[in-house]
Amino acid sequence: AQSVSQHNHHVILSEAASLELGCNYSYGGTVNLFWYVQYPGQHLQLLLKYFSGDPLVKGIKGFEAEFIKSKFSFNLRKPSVQWSDTAEYFCAVNAPLRAGNNRKLIWGLGTSLAVNP
Amino acid sequence: GEEVAQTPKHLVRGEGQKAKLYCAPIKGHSYVFWYQQVLKNEFKFLISFQNENVFDETGMPKERFSAKCLPNSPCSLEIQATKLEDSAVYFCASSQGTLGGQPQHFGDGTRLSIL
Repeated sequence: AQSVSQHNHHVILSEAASLELGCNYSYGGTVNLFWYVQYPGQHLQLLLKYFSGDPLVKGIKGFEAEFIKSKFSFNLRKPSVQWSDTAEYFCAVNAPLRAGNNRKLIWGLGTSLAVNP
Repeated sequence: GEEVAQTPKHLVRGEGQKAKLYCAPIKGHSYVFWYQQVLKNEFKFLISFQNENVFDETGMPKERFSAKCLPNSPCSLEIQATKLEDSAVYFCASSQGTLGGQPQHFGDGTRLSIL
């Protein structure tokens, strides 16, 4: 069965520190990869996605992620975090069901990021 | 609308009672997904619809859970004879089109508390 692993459950950083959150998935076929963020009291928002093409994907708010197919990884990065980045971060993968059709998401367990001012 | 609208925000039911949750997808989106988030972090896929048709129901518990998406009505998720373990936040998401890379847009969720 497909699965998504997020290595860090809780991360605490100071402002201006660099961030990298790990995400690995298990599936050998074509995948689409997503990072969602959930700010306190808010709904899930899409940070970025990888569908095809350039494996280095840039998202909103200065976030980026790199798809490394050989490592089945899609790590999220930000060079310099801010206090406002405090949130839950979820990695998700499209589980292929039927080619060309929209598919359910398989989720990692999330990483709780706290940025200290 | 421009956002996925879920109602109610919080629903409290006694064990054994019925619970019904609603979701209005973003206008123009063809796909609706339901996810259950237990213990804050674990998302479990329940069911998806393409318009009013069930697209994938592999995550739905065989008993007690049912869902519908009827034309011109909000989608609904209904739980009969609720159990304590049904306590969770239920998220609805919608997306447009049939391309696999289309992102899912999420509602605020309904927090279901079973007492």
